[in-house]
Amino acid sequence: AQSVTQPDIHITVSEGASLELRCNYSYGATPYLFWYVQSPGQGLQLLLKYFSGDTLVQGIKGFEAEFKRSQSSFNLRKPSVHWSDAAEYFCAVGGSGNTGKLIFGQGTTLQVKP
Amino acid sequence: DAGVIQSPRHEVTEMGQEVTLRCKPISGHNSLFWYRQTMMRGLELLIYFNNNVPIDDSGMPEDRFSAKMPNASFSTLKIQPSEPRDSAVYFCASSLSRRPHNEQFFGPGTRLTVL
Repeated sequence: AQSVTQPDIHITVSEGASLELRCNYSYGATPYLFWYVQSPGQGLQLLLKYFSGDTLVQGIKGFEAEFKRSQSSFNLRKPSVHWSDAAEYFCAVGGSGNTGKLIFGQGTTLQVKP
Repeated sequence: DAGVIQSPRHEVTEMGQEVTLRCKPISGHNSLFWYRQTMMRGLELLIYFNNNVPIDDSGMPEDRFSAKMPNASFSTLKIQPSEPRDSAVYFCASSLSRRPHNEQFFGPGTRLTVL
């Protein structure tokens, strides 16, 4: 069965520092992987996705993620965090049964210190 | 496009009452998803439709929950009777198709409080 683990529930970084949010997945075939961001009181917005090709994918707002099959990971990175990046981040995996069904991780809350 | 529209944004009701949540997907999108978000369980898929037909309702918690999609531009999620443990944020999302690479666009959610 598909599953997603985000090991870090809460992360605090200083503005301008680099960021890496971890995501590990369990899936038998090549997964479809997504990162979504949720600002307080808002719905989820797609940051980036991977389903084939280059394993380093670029997304919106300066985010990128790297798919590493050997580690079953899809970590999200940003070289310099802005205060507006404070939000909750969700990793998700899809692809089972060729449906649009997604399995989400528990989320990581990012706090940005001034 | 206005995006996915959900109503109401907030709902406070008493235990035992019927609650109906509404969703208007993005025009042209063929797949619609209902999620529930709680602190304890995170984001869970309740049910999803493709071309107005329910495809997978395995996430619907129990018979008190029902969902319909009478046409391509409208869906409802109904809870009858409601219980305090149903308190959560309910999201509706839509995508172009059921193909797994399609992005899901989320609505702003309905925050439900059952007293």
